Amino acid sequence: NAGVTQTPKFQVLKTGQSMTLQCAQDMNHEYMSWYRQDPGMGLRLIHYSVGAGITDQGEVPNGYNVSRSTTEDFPLRLLSAAPSQTSVYFCASSYEGTVGANVLTFGAGSRLTVL
Amino acid sequence: AQSVTQLGSHVSVSEGALVLLRCNYSSSVPPYLFWYVQYPNQGLQLLLKYTTGATLVKGINGFEAEFKKSETSFHLTKPSAHMSDAAEYFCAVSGGTSYGKLTFGQGTILTVHP
Repeated sequence: NAGVTQTPKFQVLKTGQSMTLQCAQDMNHEYMSWYRQDPGMGLRLIHYSVGAGITDQGEVPNGYNVSRSTTEDFPLRLLSAAPSQTSVYFCASSYEGTVGANVLTFGAGSRLTVL
Repeated sequence: AQSVTQLGSHVSVSEGALVLLRCNYSSSVPPYLFWYVQYPNQGLQLLLKYTTGATLVKGINGFEAEFKKSETSFHLTKPSAHMSDAAEYFCAVSGGTSYGKLTFGQGTILTVHP
């Protein structure tokens, strides 16, 4: 199994550009989430999904959109990139029955730089 | 609501020495507690977890953590550090079932010297 796959691994954007970070999981997990990692701040939840067609905001949702049309895919969209969105982004998935669905399987991360 | 504080952003130990990484939490409901480890240029992986029951939990690679409700702590320990333990460690908390929504601490970078 591939687990959680994120693409691209690295991306450089200019301020105002848009892009989509892709996330796919092949474990049939119900729950998926996006976190951003910044030095000294740990990981912060951006958006999460409890199933296809159902998404909700996390702690830092501004500037990001998500959708979940299938169980497998959970893309994160930046509509107009800002330097404050320079970060490492992690996608994670989990399933019911794993300690409140909180044993997360993480992707390898996508490092985004906004100039 | 939940929060996590990890004491010490950097911890340095000698190979063979005790590893102690500190984590304090707050939660308005009985917490689930986790330690995750991140090796360089990788995603996070679960080290150990506490839900209910036994307060001393054992994880992978010889790590263990003790849940102390009275101290709202969940410190991570390992009796003897190995060079391969060098990584960043994150404590995390959730308020029971939360569908993958965890609150993470700031992280502690562990350096192991020969």
